Amino acid sequence: QVQLVQSGAEVKKPGSSVKVSCKASGDILSTYGVSWVRQAPGQGLEWMGGIIPALDTPNYAQKFQGAVTITTDESTRTAYMELSSLRSEDTAIYYCASGITIPRGVMLGYYSGLDVWGQGTTVTVSS
Amino acid sequence: DIQMTQSPSSLSASVGDKVTITCQASQDIHIYVNWYQHRPGKAPKLLIYDAFNLGTGVPSRFSGSGSGTDFTFTISSLQPEDTATYYCQHYDNFLGLTFGPGTKVDIK
Repeated sequence: QVQLVQSGAEVKKPGSSVKVSCKASGDILSTYGVSWVRQAPGQGLEWMGGIIPALDTPNYAQKFQGAVTITTDESTRTAYMELSSLRSEDTAIYYCASGITIPRGVMLGYYSGLDVWGQGTTVTVSS
Repeated sequence: DIQMTQSPSSLSASVGDKVTITCQASQDIHIYVNWYQHRPGKAPKLLIYDAFNLGTGVPSRFSGSGSGTDFTFTISSLQPEDTATYYCQHYDNFLGLTFGPGTKVDIK
């Protein structure tokens, strides 16, 4: 069964960093890439950034430039999202996700929709 | 950057009603729009991809249309389990994704 399994909940102090992992089954990461999406309490979904095989370098949403680092380790089929200089506003559920069933043709390995999601990781930033 | 707007921000409808949500892009984005359902405590679910294609296993009461800057998402007959927030999302093949602000759908 195709799936993404994320690491557990974290509680962090303001100013610290958090690193969330996302372990993939099969070749999801190397074939389809991965995105990270978060939802803060009472807020909508925000795309933070991602890595796609076609480019092999991460893209970040402008809001998160300089604060987030997305990496993948193909040997362990694991993606990571590290968020630094945490503030209370970073309290949120963080999801990894990928698009594997959407027909892409020659655009396989580029960004598209997200149809496989991790279970979410709650990060709480509190002093 | 391309901005996505949605309307309404929330709505309440009766079981069996037809529900329509609109999404507008700040510039022409062809058909590069997907629609998601997000229920509390669950991961988001892809319903429609590339403006009008039904996702795997998605009930046929969900549909999408549009191209360019204006897109529409429709639930033909609202069911109790459709209570959720719905998001449009634009993707750029090279640059990434942008979500709309969401539309919360409740049952009257």
